[in-house]
Amino acid sequence: GENVEQHPSTLSVQEGDSAVIKCTYSDSASNYFPWYKQELGKRPQLIIDIRSNVGEKKDQRIAVTLNKTAKHFSLHITETQPEDSAVYFCAARLSLNYGGSQGNLIFGKGTKLSVKP
Amino acid sequence: NAGVMQNPRHLVRRRGQEARLRCSPMKGHSHVYWYRQLPEEGLKFMVYLQKENIIDESGMPKERFSAEFPKEGPSILRIQQVVRGDSAAYFCASSVASYNEQFFGPGTRLTVL
Repeated sequence: GENVEQHPSTLSVQEGDSAVIKCTYSDSASNYFPWYKQELGKRPQLIIDIRSNVGEKKDQRIAVTLNKTAKHFSLHITETQPEDSAVYFCAARLSLNYGGSQGNLIFGKGTKLSVKP
Repeated sequence: NAGVMQNPRHLVRRRGQEARLRCSPMKGHSHVYWYRQLPEEGLKFMVYLQKENIIDESGMPKERFSAEFPKEGPSILRIQQVVRGDSAAYFCASSVASYNEQFFGPGTRLTVL
């Protein structure tokens, strides 16, 4: 089945710097890659996602890149702010009906991002 | 426009008791996914349901765990004879269709004493 690895597990940056979180996946049949932000004690919130037919997607200070050949995707946050501090999860989803997939997400273990003022 | 609702938010049970966790999807969503999150870990898929049907339960333990999504009312995740290892946050997510974005509820934090 699919396996998602996420690095680093913790990341500390100064306010205003950029932060990059990387994920790799094992199954080339995965075609959807969302990123979730989870603040302490709260629900995971979808912040950006990318499908396998594009290589990059941007939304203000957040961007995601996808390299299908290498099977990795990354989250980039520019001009970080203290409110960006949270745990970020990447996930992958297999193509529907491939290997029995019905659309569930496979998550990485998370990256705890700390932005110091 | 209410998001995904879950209740209770916190649940304490003693070993051997039953836990019932409820999830009401977003309006217009008929697909529900349950995930479990252990402390300091990512979310692990448990089960996927549509109205009145279990589509994929490959992530759910074979014993003590069951899930349903009746025609009327919320989806329910039921854990019988809870053990300490069941302590975790249980999140449900809903989507319009299986190929659409999943939106998460606030979770139920289960503590087994």
